[in-house]
Amino acid sequence: NAGVTQTPKFQVLKTGQSMTLQCAQDMNHEYMSWYRQDPGMGLRLIHYSVGAGITDQGEVPNGYNVSRSTTEDFPLRLLSAAPSQTSVYFCASSPTGTSGNEQYFGPGTRLTVT
Amino acid sequence: KQEVTQIPAALSVPEGENLVLNCSFTDSAIYNLQWFRQDPGKGLTSLLLIQSSQREQTSGRLNASLDKSSGRSTLYIAASQPGDSATYLCAVPNDYKLSFGAGTTVTVRA
Repeated sequence: NAGVTQTPKFQVLKTGQSMTLQCAQDMNHEYMSWYRQDPGMGLRLIHYSVGAGITDQGEVPNGYNVSRSTTEDFPLRLLSAAPSQTSVYFCASSPTGTSGNEQYFGPGTRLTVT
Repeated sequence: KQEVTQIPAALSVPEGENLVLNCSFTDSAIYNLQWFRQDPGKGLTSLLLIQSSQREQTSGRLNASLDKSSGRSTLYIAASQPGDSATYLCAVPNDYKLSFGAGTTVTVRA
């Protein structure tokens, strides 16, 4: 198993550009989520999904869109990048939700918006 | 609202010493608690998942205890090595997310 994979590893964007961060898992997990990690703020949930076709907002959803057309993939879209979105983004998955299940994290995407 | 605290924020020990990392949480109605390791510039690696019905979980030199009633978990790392230098994070489920502590950054001096 490759586990949770994320691409790209690094990205530099200019303000106003759009892009998609890719996340995939090969463990047949129903639950997937996106976090951002910022110094002094810790890890904060952006969006999550409890299964294909179902997504919901987390703590900091503004400026981000998600979709879940397959069990394996959960892309995160930045519609119009802003410097405040400079961060490290982590995708995570687990069999079903967060309660009682081990969470598996991807290696992260380091995004800089200039 | 679930709040997770880790003290100390940083720890420096000589090689061979045992490490004791603390995690506290405000809402004791948790399903489990997970400990992670994060190396600089890297992702989160799961170390141990301890269920609410368990009091301890062990993996090699790592041992995690959980006391739900007092809202505390402790991660013990025996006979520390320079390779144990990293940031250690604890997290508890909170609705559909994990609530994380800010982490304890450990340096093991050779």
